[in-house]
Amino acid sequence: GEDVEQSLFLSVREGDSSVINCTYTDSSSTYLYWYKQEPGAGLQLLTYIFSNMDMKQDQRLTVLLNKKDKHLSLRIADTQTGDSAIYFCAEGYSSASKIIFGSGTRLSIRP
Amino acid sequence: EPEVTQTPSHQVTQMGQEVILRCVPISNHLYFYWYRQILGQKVEFLVSFYNNEISEKSEIFDDQFSVERPDGSNFTLKIRSTKLEDSAMYFCASNEGQYYEQYFGPGTRLTVT
Repeated sequence: GEDVEQSLFLSVREGDSSVINCTYTDSSSTYLYWYKQEPGAGLQLLTYIFSNMDMKQDQRLTVLLNKKDKHLSLRIADTQTGDSAIYFCAEGYSSASKIIFGSGTRLSIRP
Repeated sequence: EPEVTQTPSHQVTQMGQEVILRCVPISNHLYFYWYRQILGQKVEFLVSFYNNEISEKSEIFDDQFSVERPDGSNFTLKIRSTKLEDSAMYFCASNEGQYYEQYFGPGTRLTVT
């Protein structure tokens, strides 16, 4: 079945790195995404990784994929107050298929 | 930059009433979606629409729900007789078809009283 799990909360100090973890169950996922949702706003695609990749780096963001363990992580380097948001892990099967979302991890930044 | 728009931003309705949520997808996109997010819960897929018909729907999308693309720009979600449990944020999304990214609108908050 399709299921994506994340921890609900993460608190980090400003300037530190944040690592948000996710596990998924469906090994046929082709695309794995990270979406960001700021308070009162919609869903913004932050980054994605194809299932045949192990790592993707995009400025302060690093995505790691362990396909054997069905584990995805998002690392945000030098976390800033503007990074406060809910981060959703998600999976998709083709370029136009539905997206299955995790429950979201609320990232809070402390000074 | 083109974006998906949704109206209204907030809709309050009484139980049993019909509501229509409206979306304007990005103009050259071919695939359209509705998702919902009950407060504090996951974003859940409702339905996808392509070539003027439903391509996939979830078990949430029962006979009370319908979608329509009445003209070349709008994409609507109708809830025929709202229930309290329909209260949620409803997100519209669109996809060009060739690429992976679904672009989401800002959402409509539906409150059923």
